[in-house]
Amino acid sequence: AQSVAQPEDQVNVAEGNPLTVKCTYSVSGNPYLFWYVQYPNRGLQFLLKYITGDNLVKGSYGFEAEFNKSQTSFHLKKPSALVSDSALYFCAVRDNDSNYQLIWGAGTKLIIKP
Amino acid sequence: KAGVTQTPRYLIKTRGQQVTLSCSPISGHRSVSWYQQTPGQGLQFLFEYFSETQRNKGNFPGRFSGRQFSNSRSEMNVSTLELGDSALYLCASSLFEQGADTQYFGPGTRLTVL
Repeated sequence: AQSVAQPEDQVNVAEGNPLTVKCTYSVSGNPYLFWYVQYPNRGLQFLLKYITGDNLVKGSYGFEAEFNKSQTSFHLKKPSALVSDSALYFCAVRDNDSNYQLIWGAGTKLIIKP
Repeated sequence: KAGVTQTPRYLIKTRGQQVTLSCSPISGHRSVSWYQQTPGQGLQFLFEYFSETQRNKGNFPGRFSGRQFSNSRSEMNVSTLELGDSALYLCASSLFEQGADTQYFGPGTRLTVL
């Protein structure tokens, strides 16, 4: 079955430190992977996506994600966290067996402490 | 370009009533997807419409329905409201089908069922 997992409900990072938000997936065929962010009382905003090509994908607000095929992971990273990065982060993968419907992770709450 | 708009932003209904939510996608976008977001269940996919046809459907009862008009605007309807339907309902549009393209989300409609 196709699936995506975000193993951490919450990640706490001090401002200025690097941050990682984890995402692993299980799909047949080539994965299309997405990261979205949701700030309080807002809709989701697109951060970045991997379809093909370079395993390191750069996105909005200084975020990047590394696609690792052998580990079936697509972790979100940022070299230096800002307090304003505090938000809810969602990973999503395209289900190649179900009319390309997106499968969403449960979300990870990122808290950046000053 | 104007973003995705959703109306109304807030709605209070009582059990047994029905409700209609509206979504106007970004101009030129042909796909509209609907999601239910609750603190306990995360982001749950309701359905996707593409060029007025329902393309994908999530695991929700028949009380939840939707449609898309020729101008790509979409509505979702929930009949016989239950307390558990209280949630943030998000609409997202994309140029191409879900999973093949970046989705752009609206701010959501907060539905409270009393």
